Amino acid sequence: DGGITQSPKYLFRKEGQNVTLSCEQNLNHDAMYWYRQDPGQGLRLIYYSQIVNDFQKGDIAEGYSVSREKKESFPLTVTSAQKNPTAFYLCASSNRYQETQYFGPGTRLLVL
Amino acid sequence: QKEVEQNSGPLSVPEGAIASLNCTYSDRGSQSFFWYRQYSGKSPELIMFIYSNGDKEDGRFTAQLNKASQYVSLLIRDSQPSDSATYLCAVANTGGFKTIFGAGTRLFVKA
Repeated sequence: DGGITQSPKYLFRKEGQNVTLSCEQNLNHDAMYWYRQDPGQGLRLIYYSQIVNDFQKGDIAEGYSVSREKKESFPLTVTSAQKNPTAFYLCASSNRYQETQYFGPGTRLLVL
Repeated sequence: QKEVEQNSGPLSVPEGAIASLNCTYSDRGSQSFFWYRQYSGKSPELIMFIYSNGDKEDGRFTAQLNKASQYVSLLIRDSQPSDSATYLCAVANTGGFKTIFGAGTRLFVKA
């Protein structure tokens, strides 16, 4: 079955700690995205990647970093510089020439 | 600031009624329009997309687009309690790499 997987489902971060959220897709999509969702708010774009070894900042990239070394994988690191990381993190992908984005199940990040 | 606006709701309709969800957007250059459904605690799932002015139907769902008025809507016919969720409107510019999501409208279908 084709799809997008995210792990872990829940993640706890201690103050000053960097944590990495995993996103893998087997849809052969070129483009991948990371969004943050806070209660009662829309999705806000953190980073996106149109192709392997290339990525661009979204609207709220400060305190986050990404890599795109493989087409299937787009991990997101939440660094200690992100002072308010508690949120629901969603990874999505789309075919380069189509605009429809498909979402993974999400990772909920909580701060201890 | 390019925006996508939705009424936060909740919109409450009885089972079997038509639910009408509305969305306005500010960027006249927008090319693609999407409706996603999001159940509480879950990720968004695509319901429909529409690119051209007019109506697009898929089962109980109809998307309506009016680019002149910068307005897109979603109609759900024969609403079911399982339709109770938050509906997100999303608008993309050319190329689709910058998709802006509205905050969503909560729909509650009463049995």
